[in-house]
Amino acid sequence: QQQVKQSPQSLIVQKGGISIINCAYENTAFDYFPWYQQFPGKGPALLIAIRPDVSEKKEGRFTISFNKSAKQFSLHIMDSQPGDSATYFCAARSGGSYIPTFGRGTSLIVHP
Amino acid sequence: GAGVSQSPRYKVAKRGQDVALRCDPISGHVSLFWYQQALGQGPEFLTYFQNEAQLDKSGLPSDRFFAERPEGSVSTLKIQRTQQEDSAVYLCASSSGQGETQYFGPGTRLLVL
Repeated sequence: QQQVKQSPQSLIVQKGGISIINCAYENTAFDYFPWYQQFPGKGPALLIAIRPDVSEKKEGRFTISFNKSAKQFSLHIMDSQPGDSATYFCAARSGGSYIPTFGRGTSLIVHP
Repeated sequence: GAGVSQSPRYKVAKRGQDVALRCDPISGHVSLFWYQQALGQGPEFLTYFQNEAQLDKSGLPSDRFFAERPEGSVSTLKIQRTQQEDSAVYLCASSSGQGETQYFGPGTRLLVL
């Protein structure tokens, strides 16, 4: 049972465009939603995270939008750059757990 | 830079061989996690240590998998009698506390032939 569903599986955008990756979850106990960025040959690195008490969090060009009623959250990358090309994972974790449940990942390619 | 390091980076094993994967966490981090990442998938939890105590091993797929952290620092994940389905990237992560940000190592890519 996949607890966190992520889409699309792959995404190609032009430099300067907006990249949007979506995730949906089922477990209403989840209360922490991080996004990880993974470059080839590297481990995932925390990019940005949100808790459900806010609907949006922005850090530089990266924004998380959160819809608690729909149990969905998304990552927006503004002004996408070739250096953003990587695999992005959404994840979710409940307050009583230290183990994040990861989505399957989105491979993002930003063309120069 | 004292990040999480893992060795070896790549390991090829023949089916039935035993392998040992090493993780050096960030100095002072009490929490250490092992994950398995299959090709095209997100990481999946294997086991968790707090200092030398293995508090959670619910994600270990079989009794062929064994992990230890005897002195509360370096950890070793051992896989006995490897099978082809064990082929994956094994990631180690450490954090300063149970619910704190996890910092991942580069992983060990295991290929079982």
